[in-house]
Amino acid sequence: ETAVFQTPNYHVTQVGNEVSFNCKQTLGHDTMYWYKQDSKKLLKIMFSYNNKQLIVNETVPRRFSPQSSDKAHLNLRIKSVEPEDSAVYLCASRHWGGAETLYFGSGTRLTVL
Amino acid sequence: GQQVKQSSPSLTVQEGGISILNCDYENDMFDYFAWYKKYPDNSPTLLISVRSNVDKREDGRLTVFLNKSGKHFSLHITASQPEDTAVYLCAADYQGGSAKLIFGEGTKLTVSS
Repeated sequence: ETAVFQTPNYHVTQVGNEVSFNCKQTLGHDTMYWYKQDSKKLLKIMFSYNNKQLIVNETVPRRFSPQSSDKAHLNLRIKSVEPEDSAVYLCASRHWGGAETLYFGSGTRLTVL
Repeated sequence: GQQVKQSSPSLTVQEGGISILNCDYENDMFDYFAWYKKYPDNSPTLLISVRSNVDKREDGRLTVFLNKSGKHFSLHITASQPEDTAVYLCAADYQGGSAKLIFGEGTKLTVSS
């Protein structure tokens, strides 16, 4: 099956803890993204990687750090989570270029208590 | 500020009617425009897209109209059906840029039977 796979689907944690989310795509794409969907359902881009090189790094708190071992994997680590980090985190991938279809994973819902 | 905006958070249309979803953008550099559809608890999927060298594209019941001078594009869905009920996200990008697809806030379309 070719798709974008994210784990875990859900994660509940306490303020100050560290969390890690994994993303893998089997679509043969060279560009991967992390988007955050906030409580208002707005999808905001956080990071993008092309061939495991960081391309886009929006204004994101330093506690967020993406990690890419190869072009098929893009993980996201959050050190010391805050309540405002509660959101759905969507991983996506596509071929490089500005007119390509973006394919999303099923998302990771993070709840910070 | 928000580069891609959907001013209507919701829209209700009678079954069989035409649904018109609107999107405004700010960046003159955008040359790729897309509409994604999102069902509850699902990730967005591409519906239809258009590049800036055309001002209209049709695909079945869907038509995208692009007004570059007005920095506006819209999605028309004819013969709307209850299964069209979903959140519709507009998005824009530019091919020469850093390849980040920017999304609007979404419009929740409800087609009533």
